[in-house]
Amino acid sequence: DAGVIQSPRHEVTEMGQEVTLRCKPISGHNSLFWYRQTMMRGLELLIYFNNNVPIDDSGMPEDRFSAKMPNASFSTLKIQPSEPRDSAVYFCASSLYRGGDTQYFGPGTRLTVL
Amino acid sequence: GESVGLHLPTLSVQEGDNSIINCAYSNSASDYFIWYKQESGKGPQFIIDIRSNMDKRQGQRVTVLLNKTVKHLSLQIAATQPGDSAVYFCADVNYGGATNKLIFGTGTLLAVQP
Repeated sequence: DAGVIQSPRHEVTEMGQEVTLRCKPISGHNSLFWYRQTMMRGLELLIYFNNNVPIDDSGMPEDRFSAKMPNASFSTLKIQPSEPRDSAVYFCASSLYRGGDTQYFGPGTRLTVL
Repeated sequence: GESVGLHLPTLSVQEGDNSIINCAYSNSASDYFIWYKQESGKGPQFIIDIRSNMDKRQGQRVTVLLNKTVKHLSLQIAATQPGDSAVYFCADVNYGGATNKLIFGTGTLLAVQP
């Protein structure tokens, strides 16, 4: 079975550019999560969706970040404009029913903003 | 200036020895607990879980112990192998709480010496 799929795996961009990260959750899973991982702050939950609806976006750092889930099999995390401090590994995860269920993580997207 | 990152606790063990990784959680109402393993360059991977009505659960080479009295969770790995080298995270959730989402710890680095 395919796990969570993320693209791209690596992204290098210049400050001020728009960045879009993509995620395909495990088929049949109803919840989707976006995390950011850095050496400074560890693993941080940015936002999570249940049945395509954002449930908790309290971790989204600022208005430059936005996330969408137009359907059950696709989500995007967009940063516009990007800044060097956004450099991190961004993980997408999905769970079967709700936020407190076991989450299965994708391989991550390593973002570098120059 | 000098950057300061998270200082991960590190456990160094010899190959073949047993490893015990500890985690303290803060919410006495937590219902469900999970251990994740994160290898370098990969996303966190589910290892084993336990519900609050249990105090022990065994998997293949791994055992999770839960002590609700002192809010302590441990992961025991038998006959540790080089492939066990990774960062290990505990996570917990209170299903009756406001957030109903997994709360991750900061992680412990397990280094297996050959």
